[in-house]
Amino acid sequence: NAGVTQTPKFQVLKTGQSMTLQCAQDMNHEYMSWYRQDPGMGLRLIHYSVGAGITDQGEVPNGYNVSRSTTEDFPLRLLLAAPSQTSVYFCASSTSSRGEKLFFGSGTQLSVL
Amino acid sequence: GEDVEQSLFLSVREGDSSVINCTYTDSSSTYLYWYKQEPGAGLQLLTYIFSNMDMKQDQRLTVLLNKKDKHLSLRIADTQTGDSAIYFCAEIPLNRDDKIIFGKGTRLHILP
Repeated sequence: NAGVTQTPKFQVLKTGQSMTLQCAQDMNHEYMSWYRQDPGMGLRLIHYSVGAGITDQGEVPNGYNVSRSTTEDFPLRLLLAAPSQTSVYFCASSTSSRGEKLFFGSGTQLSVL
Repeated sequence: GEDVEQSLFLSVREGDSSVINCTYTDSSSTYLYWYKQEPGAGLQLLTYIFSNMDMKQDQRLTVLLNKKDKHLSLRIADTQTGDSAIYFCAEIPLNRDDKIIFGKGTRLHILP
């Protein structure tokens, strides 16, 4: 049972490039979410989804897009990367739409130069 | 206040007890959580307490809840080097669209 799998683990982008961070879970969780973790800022919610075909914005959605075509996958897209998006990104899932008892992936460390 | 508050750093000698404190925002929160983040890893749910409880003990971990003061604490007995991590307090308040809110985390440093 793999849990929540994130790829890649590390990524370096140039300003203006685009990329997709992948997240997959094999626990049949309806709720999935993306966070970014920055020093001194804790965890901030970017986007979340309560089921396939349903997504919503979190606290810091600007510059990021998401989609949820299947229960298992919840990719995060950066369309025009900016240095302010340098961060560690975590995907998390839960059986609860309120985000109770979250399972986290191991993170993607992204640097935008 | 609007934020879940935690001190940022705590240093404890190996073998001593560690106490990590948290002040949360909403007395209506039904569950309160402690997550642990080891270096280079994601957060892992460590323990949680239901709001109608004052205390929960699980091996070396003791969670204390003071609802009147909206204060949550995590005590780790006989602290070991493997306890070195960042510990996040979290709540799901009913007045914030039911979204989980994390504190900024307390980094626990173990002294030899």
